[in-house]
Amino acid sequence: QQKVQQSPESLIVPEGGMASLNCTFSDRNSQYFWWYRQHSGEGPKALMSIFSNGDKKEGRFTAHLNKASLYVSLHIKDSQPSDSALYFCAVSANSGTYQRFGTGTKLQVVP
Amino acid sequence: EAAVTQSPRNKVAVTGGKVTLSCNQTNNHNNMYWYRQDTGHGLRLIHYSYGAGSTEKGDIPDGYKASRPSQENFSLILELATPSQTSVYFCASGGLGQGADERLFFGHGTKLSVL
Repeated sequence: QQKVQQSPESLIVPEGGMASLNCTFSDRNSQYFWWYRQHSGEGPKALMSIFSNGDKKEGRFTAHLNKASLYVSLHIKDSQPSDSALYFCAVSANSGTYQRFGTGTKLQVVP
Repeated sequence: EAAVTQSPRNKVAVTGGKVTLSCNQTNNHNNMYWYRQDTGHGLRLIHYSYGAGSTEKGDIPDGYKASRPSQENFSLILELATPSQTSVYFCASGGLGQGADERLFFGHGTKLSVL
């Protein structure tokens, strides 16, 4: 069964700094990767997806994927206090199959 | 923005009792999912559905049943609730398609305490 692990468990970065979140997965057939963000008291919301090896940038967020290394990461540039949340990576093998979520990284951005 | 509504928001149940968690979506999505969230485990899939009348087992289905009577509604049923089922439950919907259609839309969650 697919295992999705995230590190670190928690992360504190200063406002304006760079936050780097890591995710490893075990199934080499994995094709589709999502990052979700969950603010306290809410459900997770999709941030961005990445399906091809390399980098994908959306505003302050950059996702990086290396399928051969079974690794995906999320980098948040110019972090804001509003970025403080729980971040999940989600992985699925094929389009239409269900997503398995990682264990989560709690990000705190301090002024 | 796609809408997924869960009810109730909070529920306290007794051990051995029956609990039904409800979910409604107005996105006209084919797929619906029930996850539970526990510290240290992230989100784990309990049951899912590809459309009205269908239910499938996820990774942790034991002790849970699901029902999808219509495109819009998906319920999670705990026939005999146990304290180990104390958790936060999230319902999600998603389109069956390519690329961005794989995005999941989550409800606000139901906090269940089984005493």
